[in-house]
Amino acid sequence: EAQVTQNPRYLITVTGKKLTVTCSQNMNHEYMSWYRQDPGLGLRQIYYSMNVEVTDKGDVPEGYKVSRKEKRNFPLILESPSPNQTSLYFCASRGLENTIYFGEGSWLTVV
Amino acid sequence: GQNIDQPTEMTATEGAIVQINCTYQTSGFNGLFWYQQHAGEAPTFLSYNVLDGLEEKGRFSSFLSRSKGYSYLLLKELQMKDSASYLCAVTPPGRYGGATNKLIFGTGTLLAVQP
Repeated sequence: EAQVTQNPRYLITVTGKKLTVTCSQNMNHEYMSWYRQDPGLGLRQIYYSMNVEVTDKGDVPEGYKVSRKEKRNFPLILESPSPNQTSLYFCASRGLENTIYFGEGSWLTVV
Repeated sequence: GQNIDQPTEMTATEGAIVQINCTYQTSGFNGLFWYQQHAGEAPTFLSYNVLDGLEEKGRFSSFLSRSKGYSYLLLKELQMKDSASYLCAVTPPGRYGGATNKLIFGTGTLLAVQP
């Protein structure tokens, strides 16, 4: 079954404590990306990756890092989280066909 | 610049037809997606248009006019389970004109289907 799996699904953390949200896809897709979703602002792209070791900034990259060392994994790193990064985060992957698959979402609260 | 506009909310009646519009102004265009998202869940793919015209898929159809920067999603025979947000997203061309994973979303249209 085609899947994009992200962890954790729910997390409450404190300001400044580094955290990583993992994302893994089992479809051998080259394209992966991260979004955050906030009320009234919709889905905004944070970073995307065209392939292994190829990443690029989306619309709201500040405060985030990513890496793509393997095709299946695309972790999102918050080096020093702040309360304005409290949001719902989605990982997504896309194959040669144009369907984009989203993970189930990660609810992150920074206090 | 990049801008996508959709109505914020719409209400329709079960069994009816509803049309959700999306207009876009982007620097380049490489396709338009429609997604459905129920509250607290991941968006699910509905349609993808890259050429002008109407694409029909069961109760859902999507139309695109590239010259007008306009698309609509048509939902027929509305059911209560169709109550959700509908997201329009545009994919601009990549740095060298090819495919890209960059997606620009509108803020979504919240559709309420009433009995």
